[in-house]
Amino acid sequence: SQTIHQWPATLVQPVGSPLSLECTVEGTSNPNLYWYRQAAGRGLQLLFYSVGIGQISSEVPQNLSASRPQDRQFILSSKKLLLSDSGFYLCAWTPGRGGETQYFGPGTRLLVL
Amino acid sequence: SQQGEEDPQALSIQEGENATMNCSYKTSINNLQWYRQNSGRGLVHLILIRSNEREKHSGRLRVTLDTSKKSSSLLITASRAADTASYFCATDPRRDDKIIFGKGTRLHILP
Repeated sequence: SQTIHQWPATLVQPVGSPLSLECTVEGTSNPNLYWYRQAAGRGLQLLFYSVGIGQISSEVPQNLSASRPQDRQFILSSKKLLLSDSGFYLCAWTPGRGGETQYFGPGTRLLVL
Repeated sequence: SQQGEEDPQALSIQEGENATMNCSYKTSINNLQWYRQNSGRGLVHLILIRSNEREKHSGRLRVTLDTSKKSSSLLITASRAADTASYFCATDPRRDDKIIFGKGTRLHILP
């Protein structure tokens, strides 16, 4: 069966510090991968998605970036965090065409102080 | 831009009652999905209904889709305390690799 992992689960970082969040999927190959951000009590904002190794599409211009160094690994990064980067970050995967069911990881709660 | 809008934003009902949530969207779609999110957790897929389907059931869940009105409803029958969560609809308006989520309905089941 397929599983998706995210780490860390929670993170407290000072403004201006770098960020690296990791997402890995097991039990499948060539998934579409997605990074979302969710502000408190709000819906999901799509940040990045990837249909293959090294292929990244950015949805919202900001100080975040994403990379996919391996087929089942998706990394969200920042060189300098802003206060507005605080939120709940969710990674998701889908087995093929992106309009179908998405399977979510447990999320990472980021607090920038 | 927001594609799906859930209504109401929040809903509190007594355990055992039925809960109905609605979703409206703006452009044509290929399918519509409903997800549940427990507080502080990831989203869990509940049901997917395609544009050529009008109704779908899964256990205590009933989803309807009216493409002429661009709306969908999620009915949870005989609600339980464990149904307390936020519920989101999601659509694929551009039929590409992305789906767009609404802001969700927060459902609270009272004991």
